[in-house]
Amino acid sequence: GQQLNQSPQSMFIQEGEDVSMNCTSSSIFNTWLWYKQEPGEGPVLLIALYKAGELTSNGRLTAQFGITRKDSFLNISASIPSDVGIYFCAGQTSGTYKYIFGTGTRLKVLA
Amino acid sequence: DAGITQSPRHKVTETGTPVTLRCHQTENHRYMYWYRQDPGHGLRLIHYSYGVKDTDKGEVSDGYSVSRSKTEDFLLTLESATSSQTSVYFCAISESLSGGYTFGSGTRLTVV
Repeated sequence: GQQLNQSPQSMFIQEGEDVSMNCTSSSIFNTWLWYKQEPGEGPVLLIALYKAGELTSNGRLTAQFGITRKDSFLNISASIPSDVGIYFCAGQTSGTYKYIFGTGTRLKVLA
Repeated sequence: DAGITQSPRHKVTETGTPVTLRCHQTENHRYMYWYRQDPGHGLRLIHYSYGVKDTDKGEVSDGYSVSRSKTEDFLLTLESATSSQTSVYFCAISESLSGGYTFGSGTRLTVV
């Protein structure tokens, strides 16, 4: 099935650094979602984006709906150890009700 | 979270045996979904439900069936488990088709 291209696949960063990750698709999406998953748990919704160009923040997290509607970005500022986890993007095309999920970015924060 | 519960959390079963996984929600959401998560594949939709007794197939539905006799319960059945169905299974719920999903904590299924 179709999947989103999510990059990078993994990141090792120092505590306090900023993080950027992105998702790209060949399809135009109407909705982008960003999730975080911790070991042994299900993904938890971080940010939802519904409009091209939209920029939304949730604490230290900021996500943007790309102008082309084929990509989205997630930034984490001043990372802390509890940011560790796998971050997934998900996109939904117009007229469908199914989300396509990226393969995830695994983030590790070194104290 | 308390709004959505999956059972069992872990299960080991033998090839060829039937297995049923349960998803229970207390949010009264209309839409429910079953996903499987495998390394390198992300989350893939197996089946979903848009109401009581209303279900449809996702992208990886072969070998799986579902039932939803009540709003709060969505069952996933592997009629005859195979090793390729070893995976982590997640249930999700949503209020609307375009809204974000709330996921359960998952069921780790091992078929030996």
